[in-house]
Amino acid sequence: AQKVTQAQTEISVVEKEDVTLDCVYETRDTTYYLFWYKQPPSGELVFLIRRNSFDEQNEISGRYSWNFQKSTSSFNFTITASQVVDSAVYFCALILTSGTYKYIFGTGTRLKVLA
Amino acid sequence: GAVVSQHPSRVICKSGTSVKIECRSLDFQATTMFWYRQFPKQSLMLMATSNEGSKATYEQGVEKDKFLINHASLTLSTLTVTSAHPEDSSFYICSARDVDGINSPLHFGNGTRLTVT
Repeated sequence: AQKVTQAQTEISVVEKEDVTLDCVYETRDTTYYLFWYKQPPSGELVFLIRRNSFDEQNEISGRYSWNFQKSTSSFNFTITASQVVDSAVYFCALILTSGTYKYIFGTGTRLKVLA
Repeated sequence: GAVVSQHPSRVICKSGTSVKIECRSLDFQATTMFWYRQFPKQSLMLMATSNEGSKATYEQGVEKDKFLINHASLTLSTLTVTSAHPEDSSFYICSARDVDGINSPLHFGNGTRLTVT
């Protein structure tokens, strides 16, 4: 079965703390894509990153970094030196290259960064 | 960047009436658009895939006669909630890709919060 699990429903941190959002996925496909999206209070989902299953290189973009480990089927997202503007719901998603090509979203992690 | 515009952002309607939600790709053409529904503090549930010039593809359990989708042009898809009831109250979000390919990211509208009284 295809599934994305974001076990952390809500996380609260104080500004400038580092925070890691976990994402674990399940699939039998060997080729797939993983995404992270941010949903601020305004409601629009904003694309953050895409990673394909053959590229296990970690990526850093400013204060954001992603750790993709196929061995544990995880695609975790770390925000360094968090800021209040990082407060949002973050979704991890999986899309397969077989079948219906639909996004499979996790249930999201609500991050609250307190000033 | 690619922009998807959704209108209205909020709508309140009475039970039994119909509501139309528009989704426009502003700076690209989209042969396919996707309609999602999001319940409070929950994930996004794909309702249907809107195809320009043809019938929409509905997900299992989604009533096509209740949620009418029309994709009349390459930049506009509409979702009409017919005979709305309080249980239809939800956050509806549309999305599209500006580049073909399943690995291309989706661009989302800012959503429509529907409240049926």
